[in-house]
Amino acid sequence: EAQVTQNPRYLITVTGKKLTVTCSQNMNHEYMSWYRQDPGLGLRQIYYSMNVEVTDKGDVPEGYKVSRKEKRNFPLILESPSPNQTSLYFCASSLSHTDGYTFGSGTRLTVV
Amino acid sequence: AQSVSQHNHHVILSEAASLELGCNYSYGGTVNLFWYVQYPGQHLQLLLKYFSGDPLVKGIKGFEAEFIKSKFSFNLRKPSVQWSDTAEYFCAVNAGFTGGFKTIFGAGTRLFVKA
Repeated sequence: EAQVTQNPRYLITVTGKKLTVTCSQNMNHEYMSWYRQDPGLGLRQIYYSMNVEVTDKGDVPEGYKVSRKEKRNFPLILESPSPNQTSLYFCASSLSHTDGYTFGSGTRLTVV
Repeated sequence: AQSVSQHNHHVILSEAASLELGCNYSYGGTVNLFWYVQYPGQHLQLLLKYFSGDPLVKGIKGFEAEFIKSKFSFNLRKPSVQWSDTAEYFCAVNAGFTGGFKTIFGAGTRLFVKA
């Protein structure tokens, strides 16, 4: 089944403890992206990648890192999480910028 | 910078009513436009997209959208809504190379359909 898989689905962590949210797609898509969803703000793009080793900042990249060493994987790293990073995170992939995204099921992160 | 505005944050309709959700974008060049739906507790799913050609785009579940370039709009429509259409709807725009290939989303419109 074609899908984007994120793990974990739920995560509660403490301020400052490094964490990684994994994202993997099995559709051979070029484009991958991370968004955070907050009430009333819609989805805001954190980082995106157009191919292996090609990444760029979205609108809210502060406090996040990404890497794209393989086409299928696009992990999101929070080196030192803070409470304002409490949010619902979605990974998404698409074949090109003219195609719509396929979204993962989301990761609900709480930083205390 | 490109931006997307969805005018209605909350819409309440009765079943069988017609739906139109507004979406305006700020970018003046060539754009790719999308509508997504997010059912309660779920991830976003693509409803329809516009890349080029016929400005009236038909999507899944009976939805359609019309691209009006002169108005920078891409409104979503459905002639007769059902209770199962209760969800949040997001408009999104990608301006291709000149927009850095970013896809920008609007803040969303919550639709509640009364049975």
